[in-house]
Amino acid sequence: SQELEQSPQSLIVQEGKNLTINCTSSKTLYGLYWYKQKYGEGLIFLMMLQKGGEEKSHEKITAKLDEKKQQSSLHITASQPSHAGIYLCGADSGAGSYQLTFGKGTKLSVIP
Amino acid sequence: EPEVTQTPSHQVTQMGQEVILRCVPISNHLYFYWYRQILGQKVEFLVSFYNNEISEKSEIFDDQFSVERPDGSNFTLKIRSTKLEDSAMYFCASSGQGARSYNEQFFGPGTRLTVL
Repeated sequence: SQELEQSPQSLIVQEGKNLTINCTSSKTLYGLYWYKQKYGEGLIFLMMLQKGGEEKSHEKITAKLDEKKQQSSLHITASQPSHAGIYLCGADSGAGSYQLTFGKGTKLSVIP
Repeated sequence: EPEVTQTPSHQVTQMGQEVILRCVPISNHLYFYWYRQILGQKVEFLVSFYNNEISEKSEIFDDQFSVERPDGSNFTLKIRSTKLEDSAMYFCASSGQGARSYNEQFFGPGTRLTVL
């Protein structure tokens, strides 16, 4: 089965600083999904990556998938308190399966 | 903006009781899912549903669980005889298309189930 490792587990940054969260898969990724979760709430879809080397951006958040499709990174530029939350990476296993496997998440705190 | 809704937001039940968790997926979506998250643990897949039948299910989704789409808008998860270990946040999700490239799953806010 596919395992996703996220690092770091938690992160505290000063407002305005940049940060990166990593997600490493035990198998080749077919689809890699980034979600944000606020404590006790639902998952908010951020981005999906599929192709090796692909990069997508939304506002100040950029996600990349490496060429080998086994690692993804999420980069936040000039962090704001609104970026605080738990970031989850998820992956589908391909072969007609749509179930998502998730990492444990990275808890981000942004200090004003 | 369309969103997935879930009711109730919090359900407390006694062990052995049946519970039904309700979801209204995004209206033009075709695939529906249930996931759960035990406190402090990963989000785990339970089941996916397409064309009025289960398309995939995990080992967690045993005979105590069932899903139904009783009408054109609702999608339900039933737990027949709840156990203490069923206490978790249950998330419903939906996605628009069958092709993987459109498998952007949108999640509801969750139902927190507490089994006493």
